[in-house]
Amino acid sequence: EVQLVESGGGLVQPGGSLRLSCAASGFTFSTYSMNWVRQAPGKGLEWVSYISSSSSTIYYADSVKGRFTISRDNAKNSLYLQMNSLRAEDTAVYYCAREGGSGFLYYFDYWGQGTLVTVSS
Amino acid sequence: SSELTQDPAVSVALGQTVRITCQGDSLRSYYASWYQQKPGQAPVLVIYGKNNRPSGIPDRFSGSSSGNTASLTITGAQAEDEADYYCKSRDSSGNLRVFGGGTKLTVL
Repeated sequence: EVQLVESGGGLVQPGGSLRLSCAASGFTFSTYSMNWVRQAPGKGLEWVSYISSSSSTIYYADSVKGRFTISRDNAKNSLYLQMNSLRAEDTAVYYCAREGGSGFLYYFDYWGQGTLVTVSS
Repeated sequence: SSELTQDPAVSVALGQTVRITCQGDSLRSYYASWYQQKPGQAPVLVIYGKNNRPSGIPDRFSGSSSGNTASLTITGAQAEDEADYYCKSRDSSGNLRVFGGGTKLTVL
């Protein structure tokens, strides 16, 4: 059974840092691209970042570029999101999501349960 | 702002058919995928590509696409289908992933 379990969320002051983790199991983690997606309270889904299976390709949403860093450790079946210079508008539930597909078809077929990040003084 | 546009809210009578649409230029090049999200839960993939359903998704859910518009159709909507629905595809560069703003479906 595929499982994605996020951790590392919590309350942090504006300007602070936080590192999220996503532990993967039930599939060959090293062969899948992964993503972080967030959802602010009462708002829609917002894609945050993508990392390819080998970490060779990384993308960020403009809203987090230069502040967030995505990484992975295939030996540990883990995905990470280092979040620096946090702002109130980064307050959200953060989900990790596995990406399937190829060519012109891509989809997020498995999601974690999410971890809440609250940025407030 | 999202590069994929969805109606904010749609309603359907129990047992009737409803179509939720998603518009964006990138849909001319990339297929959409659709996600159902119920309150307090993580999103769930319900349709991907032209019309593919993951295992466990009822066959009342179907997808279609034409030009810059992708559609999710629920044929015979059930009370448990009441949820937020999001489309997802790529941005104009083809690199970034992007979600539509979401459609809140109410089953009357």
